[in-house]
Amino acid sequence: AQKVTQAQTEISVVEKEDVTLDCVYETRDTTYYLFWYKQPPSGELVFLIRRNSFDEQNEISGRYSWNFQKSTSSFNFTITASQVVDSAVYFCALSVLSNTGKLIFGQGTTLQVKP
Amino acid sequence: EAGVTQFPSHSVIEKGQTVTLRCDPISGHDNLYWYRRVMGKEIKFLLHFVKESKQDESGMPNNRFLAERTGGTYSTLKVQPAELEDSGVYFCASSLSRTEAFFGQGTRLTVV
Repeated sequence: AQKVTQAQTEISVVEKEDVTLDCVYETRDTTYYLFWYKQPPSGELVFLIRRNSFDEQNEISGRYSWNFQKSTSSFNFTITASQVVDSAVYFCALSVLSNTGKLIFGQGTTLQVKP
Repeated sequence: EAGVTQFPSHSVIEKGQTVTLRCDPISGHDNLYWYRRVMGKEIKFLLHFVKESKQDESGMPNNRFLAERTGGTYSTLKVQPAELEDSGVYFCASSLSRTEAFFGQGTRLTVV
C-alpha cells in the first residue's frame, strides 16, 4: 500500500522568511514518482514538480527547491524568501507505475504568508 | 493550448437530487482521472479512464456514482441521488503518459 503524509496542517510565516513543507511517503515499489502541487485560492491544482525514484538530485527553480531523500522517504519543499502570492495549499503526491498512474495525495499543508 | 476544463465550477443541490459534473481533458490525452477532496481532507482518487474504458474504478465510493467517457473525449460524473457526505471538490485530471497529470480547476459540490 502507498501513503503520503504531510504532518504540517498549517504554516504561517512573515514575508521574506524561508519555509519548508515536509512530505514523507511509503511505498514498496521501486519505481515511483513524487509530485508537488499548489492550490491557490482560485482552486485549481497547479503542477510544480515531478521526480522519479531513480533521480535523487535536488532541484532548484527560482525561489523553490526540493530535497528528495530515499533514505528517509522524504520529499521536502522549500520556499526561499516567501511572498504573499505563495499563500496556498500545497499537496505532495505519489504515483507508482504499477498502479495505473493514479496519484496518492497527502493531506495538504496550508501556507499563509503574511506581509 | 486549452487545459483541463470542468463544468460547472460550483453546484448547490438538495439531498436526493441528481448532479452531473463534466470534464473536458486536454486534447489527445488518453488518460483521464477523477479525484475528490472532502471536508479539507486529502484528495482521493475515484477512477481512471484510458480512452473510453474504465481502467481503475477502485476509488468510487458507492453505486450512486456513475462515470462515463463517451468516445474517449469528455467525461461525466453523475451522482444520483446525492447525499450530504458527497459535498466536496471534484477534480478531473488528464495525461498523455501516466507520469504527469494536469488538473482542472475543480467543481465545488455542495449538497444541502
